[in-house]
Amino acid sequence: AIRMTQSPSSLSASTGDRVTITCRASQGISSYLVWYQQKPGKAPKLLIYAASTLQSGVPSRFSGSGSGTDFTLTISCLQSEDFATYYCQQYYSYPLTFGGGTKVEIK
Amino acid sequence: QVQLVESGGGVVQPGGSLRLSCAASGFTFSSYGMHWVRQAPGKGLEWVAFIRYDGSNEHYADSVKGRFTISRDNSKNTLYLQMNSLRVEDTAMYYCAKDPNGDYPFDYWGQGTLVTVSS
Repeated sequence: AIRMTQSPSSLSASTGDRVTITCRASQGISSYLVWYQQKPGKAPKLLIYAASTLQSGVPSRFSGSGSGTDFTLTISCLQSEDFATYYCQQYYSYPLTFGGGTKVEIK
Repeated sequence: QVQLVESGGGVVQPGGSLRLSCAASGFTFSSYGMHWVRQAPGKGLEWVAFIRYDGSNEHYADSVKGRFTISRDNSKNTLYLQMNSLRVEDTAMYYCAKDPNGDYPFDYWGQGTLVTVSS
């Protein structure tokens, strides 16, 4: 199975900050990567697919980059509603696998 | 609108069995693959299983292979997860999710059903 390693596991930031989360795959996955946002008690929400394509309705302050094994999710100007946990997931091959998550907390 | 409603969760002893259901509406169920994803309390997401739109192919996480079986009844618009030989570590919220047959794995999720494995 492809292992997805996310870092950091948590971070503290202030509204207006630029935040970067990284995800590394244990083998090449081309651009078959998605990013989700999850808030407590809710199902995950798709933010980015194909590593860098913004899902419809998602604010443009979210962006994704990378291919192969190294990927990045960037929030350019953190808003209050962005405090949540973020997950990457590869869909290059089964079994589908998630990163361990990054919790973005208020500083 | 697309709706996915899970049911069948509850408390079960280690070694026991449980069958989860996911009732789908708002789309042509028989045209789409479906997944189960779980999340242990306070932990991250774990993909569990996938079934093709016509039930002809399945995939499983290594952690559940041989114990869980995904199935579907397209005449009832319902997805199932039969869970046998349950372990304490199977305790989690179980979500069903629709596969859009396109650019990413899941486009809609249910609200989840909680499975607790405890003696």
